[in-house]
Amino acid sequence: DTAVSQTPKYLVTQMGNDKSIKCEQNLGHDTMYWYKQDSKKFLKIMFSYNNKELIINETVPNRFSPKSPDKAHLNLHINSLELGDSAVYFCASSQGLPGLHYGYTFGSGTRLTVV
Amino acid sequence: AQSVTQLDSHVSVSEGTPVLLRCNYSSSYSPSLFWYVQHPNKGLQLLLKYTSAATLVKGINGFEAEFKKSETSFHLTKPSAHMSDAAEYFCVVSERDGGSQGNLIFGKGTKLSVKP
Repeated sequence: DTAVSQTPKYLVTQMGNDKSIKCEQNLGHDTMYWYKQDSKKFLKIMFSYNNKELIINETVPNRFSPKSPDKAHLNLHINSLELGDSAVYFCASSQGLPGLHYGYTFGSGTRLTVV
Repeated sequence: AQSVTQLDSHVSVSEGTPVLLRCNYSSSYSPSLFWYVQHPNKGLQLLLKYTSAATLVKGINGFEAEFKKSETSFHLTKPSAHMSDAAEYFCVVSERDGGSQGNLIFGKGTKLSVKP
């Protein structure tokens, strides 16, 4: 009955590899997000999709490519992983467009370690 | 542009004493403000939110926050700390540029330690 679920929880991989993180929400929300939390705990938005359409695309290397097959899923694919990509990645969802009075529901995060 | 500043990176209190986590924001529009908590190795949980209704907002686990427009503050308080409150707390402002799109701006977090 998890509201926003991410897989995997932990991911350790070598530099140069390609990896994907999956996210699913069962709340019926219209909008989904990917956030990156760095080593200093600061969260920065990466992408946002509303009803499968990209609406926020922050300055993120184009090695990162989000994909939303339907409004309940938002996956994140990362090509040619670099050491600096090591972080915790949070998926989130909200009802309606971003920032409009609603709190976001977050997943439990995916801790990515690039070695 | 909107921003949020959490004034303390680390706060340490004794169990049973009051908690105060400070947050100031800047906003060109009426903001929506939130507090989230992150326990070690866990996801982010919404504690409470302010969306232009009552200025004193009550959240879960006995936390509350007061929106003070004159001071541009949204400090988080709890009368009596419990050991289970030890976590990282994030103050968050909702960014709205007058249009329909927005963003959540996170503060850098305040780590709360609770001593027995």
